[in-house]
Amino acid sequence: EDKVVQSPLSLVVHEGDTVTLNCSYEVTNFRSLLWYKQEKKAPTFLFMLTSSGIEKKSGRLSSILDKKELFSILNITATQTGDSAVYLCAVVRPIIQGAQKLVFGQGTRLTINP
Amino acid sequence: NAGVMQNPRHLVRRRGQEARLRCSPMKGHSHVYWYRQLPEEGLKFMVYLQKENIIDESGMPKERFSAEFPKEGPSILRIQQVVRGDSAAYFCASSRLLETQYFGPGTRLLVL
Repeated sequence: EDKVVQSPLSLVVHEGDTVTLNCSYEVTNFRSLLWYKQEKKAPTFLFMLTSSGIEKKSGRLSSILDKKELFSILNITATQTGDSAVYLCAVVRPIIQGAQKLVFGQGTRLTINP
Repeated sequence: NAGVMQNPRHLVRRRGQEARLRCSPMKGHSHVYWYRQLPEEGLKFMVYLQKENIIDESGMPKERFSAEFPKEGPSILRIQQVVRGDSAAYFCASSRLLETQYFGPGTRLLVL
């Protein structure tokens, strides 16, 4: 059965700290891995990772994928209170007729205290 | 370019009633996915639809739940005879073929 596991489940840090969120997976026919940020509403897309070892970067956020060890990390440097959210990792799994579905981890709840 | 639209945003039903959740995909997207998020859990895939076709419903409970995506109009997720365990956030996502899925704001269903 497909499995995506995130750790830690919850993390509380002070503003300015750097955090690393982890995501490991066991999925048949892996295609790519996505990170989403979920505040009180819709998950918003952060990154798509397809190739091993290539870092994706957007401002203070960066992410990398290791397809050999089956995990990804999401780094946030110089955290701000606006980074407080649930961060979701999802693996793209192909389904029939060329489409795909997402298999999500349970999320990491990140709280940034001022 | 409007994003994925879902309505209602909040829905309260009594046990045994029906719940209808609507999703309008982004313009140009013909693939719709429904996910359910139980409290303190990640999103779980329910069903994937294209226009007038259910492609994969492997995540949908076998009873009481149904989904459609008609030629005209939004996709509908229908839950008949709701029970307390159906209380959750239901998210719809849309995409073009093999591209990133974009999520709507969700419908929060509360069953009393």
